[in-house]
Amino acid sequence: EVQLVQSGEEVKKPGEPLKISCKASGYSFTNYWIAWVRQMPGKGPEWMGIIFPGDSETKYSPSFQGQVTILVDKSINTAYLQWSSLRASDTAMYYCARHIGGITGTLDFWGQGALVTVSS
Amino acid sequence: QTVVTQEPSLTVSPGGTVTLTCASSTGAVTSVYFPNWFQQKPGQAPRSLIYSTTNKHSWTPARFSGSLLGGKAALTLSGAQPEDEAEYYCLLYYDGAVIFGGGTKLTVL
Repeated sequence: EVQLVQSGEEVKKPGEPLKISCKASGYSFTNYWIAWVRQMPGKGPEWMGIIFPGDSETKYSPSFQGQVTILVDKSINTAYLQWSSLRASDTAMYYCARHIGGITGTLDFWGQGALVTVSS
Repeated sequence: QTVVTQEPSLTVSPGGTVTLTCASSTGAVTSVYFPNWFQQKPGQAPRSLIYSTTNKHSWTPARFSGSLLGGKAALTLSGAQPEDEAEYYCLLYYDGAVIFGGGTKLTVL
């Protein structure tokens, strides 16, 4: 059974760093892209970028390029989304999802989401 | 900036048929945009229903179908059930970028 299990809720202050995780199981982790998707309160999802665990190739949405870093540790089947300095506007739910068929494919399995709240 | 537009809200009667559409600010949506459709219920992650315009997953109810209609991507629900009440998002691919639509809130009433 394909599962993506994300790390828990985070409450942070502006300027703090953060790294959230997404642990995959039930399939060959290195063969499928993992995407990160932001969903701000009451809004639609936004595709942030993807990483291919096999070789760590990444592609970012222009809106998120330079704002976040997508990483992977294939030895433990885990992908990460990282901020060096959070802003209040980063407050959102963040989902990881398996991106099959490459960037033109689909997001077939999703994590449960990680709520990030950034507030002073 | 490219914008993907959906109807903000639609209502369908139980057992009825409704079509949701997905338009691109760049022009007509074709198969090369690889349209996807997702369903999201409150407190849940989005769930993929349709990919590459018409393709279904093993879990996609047969009453959902995808197509291209009048220059837009379309999701048709035939025989609406109460459990289909949800937010629906389309997704389009643009030469290396992936953009979600703003969503359609579907009410089954």
